[in-house]
Amino acid sequence: EAQVTQNPRYLITVTGKKLTVTCSQNMNHEYMSWYRQDPGLGLRQIYYSMNVEVTDKGDVPEGYKVSRKEKRNFPLILESPSPNQTSLYFCASSLVPGYEQYFGPGTRLTVT
Amino acid sequence: AQTVTQSQPEMSVQEAETVTLSCTYDTSESDYYLFWYKQPPSRQMILVIRQEAYKQQNATENRFSVNFQKAAKSFSLKISDSQLGDAAMYFCAYRSNWYALNFGKGTSLLVTP
Repeated sequence: EAQVTQNPRYLITVTGKKLTVTCSQNMNHEYMSWYRQDPGLGLRQIYYSMNVEVTDKGDVPEGYKVSRKEKRNFPLILESPSPNQTSLYFCASSLVPGYEQYFGPGTRLTVT
Repeated sequence: AQTVTQSQPEMSVQEAETVTLSCTYDTSESDYYLFWYKQPPSRQMILVIRQEAYKQQNATENRFSVNFQKAAKSFSLKISDSQLGDAAMYFCAYRSNWYALNFGKGTSLLVTP
């Protein structure tokens, strides 16, 4: 089944404790992206990747890191999480620009 | 950055009726793509419909259709014969060729029996 998977689905952590949210797709998509969703703000792009080893900042990259060492994986790293990073996070992928993005199920992160 | 505006935070429709959700966007580009996504309570993001800017014909997917007005930079979604399962948050999104996808803030659709 074609899908985007994210882990964990739920995470509660404390300020400053490094964490990684994994994202993997099995569709051989070139393009992957991370978004955060906050009430009243819609989805905002954090980082995106056009291919292996090619990443770029989205609209809200501060406090996040990403890497793309393999085509299928695009982890999101919070090296020192803060409470303002409490949010719902989505990973997405697509074959080429203009095609629909396939979204993962979301990761609910709470930073206390 | 391109902006996407959904002016209706909430909408309500009766089952079997038709509802239109509004979306406007701001861009200086001529070639781009527009999408409507649905987010039900499960939080999964589901693509509803897609429109390429170079196509004059409005996209249609079963009960869902769009009214794309390029000059006015308007991209509304019409849901016909509304069903209880259509209740969700709907997001309009704009995608340029530069790999950026910009979402509106969403419209919450309530469907009443």
